[in-house]
Amino acid sequence: SQTIHQWPATLVQPVGSPLSLECTVEGTSNPNLYWYRQAAGRGLQLLFYSVGIGQISSEVPQNLSASRPQDRQFILSSKKLLLSDSGFYLCAWRTQPWSFGTQYFGPGTRLTVL
Amino acid sequence: SQKIEQNSEALNIQEGKTATLTCNYTNYSPAYLQWYRQDPGRGPVFLLLIRENEKEKRKERLKVTFDTTLKQSLFHITASQPADSATYLCALEGNGSGNTGKLIFGQGTTLQVKP
Repeated sequence: SQTIHQWPATLVQPVGSPLSLECTVEGTSNPNLYWYRQAAGRGLQLLFYSVGIGQISSEVPQNLSASRPQDRQFILSSKKLLLSDSGFYLCAWRTQPWSFGTQYFGPGTRLTVL
Repeated sequence: SQKIEQNSEALNIQEGKTATLTCNYTNYSPAYLQWYRQDPGRGPVFLLLIRENEKEKRKERLKVTFDTTLKQSLFHITASQPADSATYLCALEGNGSGNTGKLIFGQGTTLQVKP
């Protein structure tokens, strides 16, 4: 069966510090991968998606970047965090959509920037 | 611009009653629509998917309807239980999204079932 991992679970960082969040998927190959951010009481905002190794598409201009160095690894980074980067970060995967499919979400990382 | 709207006000109902949540969309032609459940501090979990040519889909106590003319989906939970209390999100993937599989999510409706 497939599983998705995210770490860390929670993170408190000062403004201006770097960020690296990691997401890994097990039990599937060549998945589409997604990074979302959810502000308190808000819906999911798609930040980045990837359809293959090294292929990153950005949905929202921002202070963040993403990378996919391996098939089942997705990393969200920032060189200098802003207060507005605080939120709940979710990674998700789905099979390559040659047929309709659902997205499967990780447990999330709660990021607080102080 | 494309927009998905869910009732932002929390829905409070008594245990045993039917909960009905609404998802409306504009400027969009979704191939299918999905519903997810999200508990506090957790990632969303997929519940049901309904295609554009389907009117209704059922799974145990859950029922989803999809009216592409009204551009609306209704999500019903019958015989609701306190354990059904959560935030419910609808999501759309449009025709022509290619191999991206991108979903657009509504902001979610929080359901509170009181014993």
